[in-house]
Amino acid sequence: DAGVTQSPTHLIKTRGQQVTLRCSPISGHKSVSWYQQVLGQGPQFIFQYYEKEERGRGNFPDRFSARQFPNYSSELNVNALLLGDSALYLCASSLGRVLAEQYFGPGTRLTVT
Amino acid sequence: AQSVTQLDSHVSVSEGTPVLLRCNYSSSYSPSLFWYVQHPNKGLQLLLKYTSAATLVKGINGFEAEFKKSETSFHLTKPSAHMSDAAEYFCVVSPKNFGNEKLTFGTGTRLTIIP
Repeated sequence: DAGVTQSPTHLIKTRGQQVTLRCSPISGHKSVSWYQQVLGQGPQFIFQYYEKEERGRGNFPDRFSARQFPNYSSELNVNALLLGDSALYLCASSLGRVLAEQYFGPGTRLTVT
Repeated sequence: AQSVTQLDSHVSVSEGTPVLLRCNYSSSYSPSLFWYVQHPNKGLQLLLKYTSAATLVKGINGFEAEFKKSETSFHLTKPSAHMSDAAEYFCVVSPKNFGNEKLTFGTGTRLTIIP
């Protein structure tokens, strides 16, 4: 079975631009969560979506938004990029809302110049 | 509120010697605790998890961790280090009773194995 997939692998953007990152969960998984991992730190929770609804949001500005599609894939959008948004963005999927093992994708490395 | 503190940012051990990675947690609710490993250029992989069953939890690759409520600790151990264990390790807490999958990660411990 395919694991969690993310695209693109790497991305370079300029300050002020907008970016969209994509995630495909493991087949059968209905929950997708997004994390930001700045170099040298642990991942920080951004969003969780379950059955296409937002179920949790971390301490991130409104420039960050996400959505989940009927096939349970998800997109993370970041507007008005700042240098500080440079990070590894991780997507994780799981079977459902009740605590279950999350499976992480390899991440998208975003560099903002 | 919940948080984890990984007491060592970097641990070096010789191959074949024991590994100890320390983690203290803080949680307003009965927590679930996890250890994840991150190898360079690879995704996070779950090593083990504690969800209120046995306090001594066994994971993959010979790792285990003991939940000690009185000490609010969840240290990760392995009897004998292998070169392939070199990676970044994260202690993670989650509010079990909320059914919320928000994971709170520690800052990580980089494990180096000396040949």
